[in-house]
Amino acid sequence: GESVGLHLPTLSVQEGDNSIINCAYSNSASDYFIWYKQESGKGPQFIIDIRSNMDKRQGQRVTVLLNKTVKHLSLQIAATQPGDSAVYFCAEILNSGYSTLTFGKGTMLLVSP
Amino acid sequence: GAVVSQHPSWVICKSGTSVKIECRSLDFQATTMFWYRQFPKQSLMLMATSNEGSKATYEQGVEKDKFLINHASLTLSTLTVTSAHPEDSSFYICSARDLPGHFNEKLFFGSGTQLSVL
Repeated sequence: GESVGLHLPTLSVQEGDNSIINCAYSNSASDYFIWYKQESGKGPQFIIDIRSNMDKRQGQRVTVLLNKTVKHLSLQIAATQPGDSAVYFCAEILNSGYSTLTFGKGTMLLVSP
Repeated sequence: GAVVSQHPSWVICKSGTSVKIECRSLDFQATTMFWYRQFPKQSLMLMATSNEGSKATYEQGVEKDKFLINHASLTLSTLTVTSAHPEDSSFYICSARDLPGHFNEKLFFGSGTQLSVL
């Protein structure tokens, strides 16, 4: 069950604002990172990925930044929309393609119109 | 894109009964499937990894006799929660990888199963 005191960090923004969601990953040897979006009662949905030999990657309205020095990953969402409201997880992989994902703790994004 | 179908979406059962959850890859062959468990407001925790035709590999702390995993074909893996108790109530999610060695962008997730044990 749920641990006492455990909660998801929440980021509340207005529609049209840019959102930045942060993640600290655990293994300095991880070489592949993915951001997932999870809506209530659904499975995770792939958003964007980045390999450890890159520090930035852009998609449609989303950008992922990787700072390996401090083991930090961020997801930037431009012009946030109400449909972006969800929980966002970063995930890391050691030895790409052969190892399993380790998910971060997640951040809830709430977008108000 | 590839689709992973998971059934049922939700199930309510009495304590002591067993529940089977199915995970199917609809348009690709999944050599490896993963089962995750997620409690409210928490992250996904890997329970086990199953490879077609072989025994599942369980993560530390996950009881293999309680959570039976079968991956008998390249398109179907099942998770059976045996003798379920209220503490087993959780959101269970499967995922599937289409070919070994691919980056996990090829990892597709099911829609999850909410299990409530009374």
